[in-house]
Amino acid sequence: GAVVSQHPSRVICKSGTSVKIECRSLDFQATTMFWYRQFPKQSLMLMATSNEGSKATYEQGVEKDKFLINHASLTLSTLTVTSAHPEDSSFYICSARALGEREGNTIYFGEGSWLTVV
Amino acid sequence: GQQLNQSPQSMFIQEGEDVSMNCTSSSIFNTWLWYKQDPGEGPVLLIALYKAGELTSNGRLTAQFGITRKDSFLNISASIPSDVGIYFCAGVTSGTYKYIFGTGTRLKVLA
Repeated sequence: GAVVSQHPSRVICKSGTSVKIECRSLDFQATTMFWYRQFPKQSLMLMATSNEGSKATYEQGVEKDKFLINHASLTLSTLTVTSAHPEDSSFYICSARALGEREGNTIYFGEGSWLTVV
Repeated sequence: GQQLNQSPQSMFIQEGEDVSMNCTSSSIFNTWLWYKQDPGEGPVLLIALYKAGELTSNGRLTAQFGITRKDSFLNISASIPSDVGIYFCAGVTSGTYKYIFGTGTRLKVLA
């Protein structure tokens, strides 16, 4: 099946620094990628929709200047958490939409990235 | 952000028992999906439903897309220890590809 890879899988950073998380579709092209945030024991909350070659669309309440999303190619989207604070510590998961498949079955999730801000 | 209501929130069951969980929404969705998530990993798709009233099976799993398009249920028959995990429903509105996730059901199976 289709594979979506995230890197790094775990990262610890100091408060005030920025961290970049990559999301790659390994064997398919993805015009659209999605970024989710998941706090411990909670559900996945959609943060933003990333479209290749255009600006990301952010969900209500998500600060676009804090969570910078870049989708420079059909196989790569990046999420940069700027000026990270401890409350940004979370599990970040991306998903990618594969072209040409039936809606609903076209989204593949990455393995997630644990961010800990100390 | 928007979430779907999922119940039960958690459950302990004996190995071999059947399990049922459901998901409800105030909004209509065109697609319902069920995922399982193991700790520290991304969700894995179990079943996808595309039509109101549709009943679909995947091994010991059976899911149905509610007639009103506002709900769905997932049944697991003859549970085994590896069924442990968190199960999420997700609804998709046609054309958006945005997945709205349920609040999750934590399943623990006692051997």
